[in-house]
Amino acid sequence: DADVTQTPRNRITKTGKRIMLECSQTKGHDRMYWYRQDPGLGLRLIYYSFDVKDINKGEISDGYSVSRQAQAKFSLSLESAIPNQTALYFCATSDKPPDVNEKLFFGSGTQLSVL
Amino acid sequence: DAKTTQPNSMESNEEEPVHLPCNHSTISGTDYIHWYRQLPSQGPEYVIHGLTSNVNNRMASLAIAEDRKSSTLILHRATLRDAAVYYCILRSLIKAAGNKLTFGGGTRVLVKP
Repeated sequence: DADVTQTPRNRITKTGKRIMLECSQTKGHDRMYWYRQDPGLGLRLIYYSFDVKDINKGEISDGYSVSRQAQAKFSLSLESAIPNQTALYFCATSDKPPDVNEKLFFGSGTQLSVL
Repeated sequence: DAKTTQPNSMESNEEEPVHLPCNHSTISGTDYIHWYRQLPSQGPEYVIHGLTSNVNNRMASLAIAEDRKSSTLILHRATLRDAAVYYCILRSLIKAAGNKLTFGGGTRVLVKP
């Protein structure tokens, strides 16, 4: 079983719909992150959480919200989806303070298409 | 933020070494060099990182130029499972908080049997 699990793996939705992407981890890590990847571009950080009830904005948080319900779960919501939010979304975890030796562990991604 | 430049793609034969270059001419003294790779239909995975000295682990070796303006990831014996996109990333000691990892375009490695 994967250590970092994302659900669903694929989702097609319509403009204006609310959608939630789920991430759960069995690694026991405190830190969790949401990234998006667009074709030909790198990964960009949306939100991150260093502990339950700790939420921090990344570089592209507009249009998104998150919830850290438990150490193992971190969900990403699009309150009103728009087509330019079509992308591949990745959840990641880490267990060390955010220093240069930290390693991130990624899930397999959720491909979201907004029509 | 300092930028990295990598070739778009490289080909290799199975069981031969692969040398993946990365240029980072604007690197600062507090930037560490990290490598991740992304296998098809997977999220990125950590490969190796270093500051000044060459580094080895079970996955690869990292050779860092003396002036630190470039580095090379070395896969000693490529296998078909090494076919992936390899990302060279700089992580600032000062700006590490928040994990603002900036993945550029990376190098797509094709391994031929």
